[in-house]
Amino acid sequence: GESVGLHLPTLSVQEGDNSIINCAYSNSASDYFIWYKQESGKGPQFIIDIRSNMDKRQGQRVTVLLNKTVKHLSLQIAATQPGDSAVYFCAENIGSGNTGKLIFGQGTTLQVKP
Amino acid sequence: NAGVTQTPKFRILKIGQSMTLQCAQDMNHNYMYWYRQDPGMGLKLIYYSVGAGITDKGEVPNGYNVSRSTTEDFPLRLELAAPSQTSVYFCASKSSNTGELFFGEGSRLTVL
Repeated sequence: GESVGLHLPTLSVQEGDNSIINCAYSNSASDYFIWYKQESGKGPQFIIDIRSNMDKRQGQRVTVLLNKTVKHLSLQIAATQPGDSAVYFCAENIGSGNTGKLIFGQGTTLQVKP
Repeated sequence: NAGVTQTPKFRILKIGQSMTLQCAQDMNHNYMYWYRQDPGMGLKLIYYSVGAGITDKGEVPNGYNVSRSTTEDFPLRLELAAPSQTSVYFCASKSSNTGELFFGEGSRLTVL
């Protein structure tokens, strides 16, 4: 069955360092992926997305990389700040295009040390 | 512009009781979703709707019902609450312009 998983439950980084959060997915037919940030007591917040016809997409301080060969994607956060502390989820879209029907991974908790 | 609003924020139910979680959005989005999040886990899709009058099952629909009589509202009903339904429930709507999902703040439900 479909599953989306993150490699590490917790990642601790020093403020100012770069963070890399990894995710593996199992459905090779998936064509749309999204990263979400969830702060304590709040709903997930969209960070960045990528379609399967791309292997890299950049946003403000964030970059998503997609490797379809090994079914892996990663989220890179540059110059990590205390406000980046949260749980990060990768999500895989069910169906073709952006249906909004998502399978979420279990999440990685990012802890930023001052 | 309030976005996606969920009520109640917290609720404790006894086994076998029924209740409705309310969700409203003021962004005129056609697509709306209900997800649940168990402790330490990612979200799982319960039901979704592509527009008023249209609903469909997601990954974990058993024990729930939905309706979509208006574009703005998408209530989720639990008919016979069970301890397995203890979770945080998130409602979301999708922008047709950007494709981005906007989530509410969540409703934390405990069934005892």
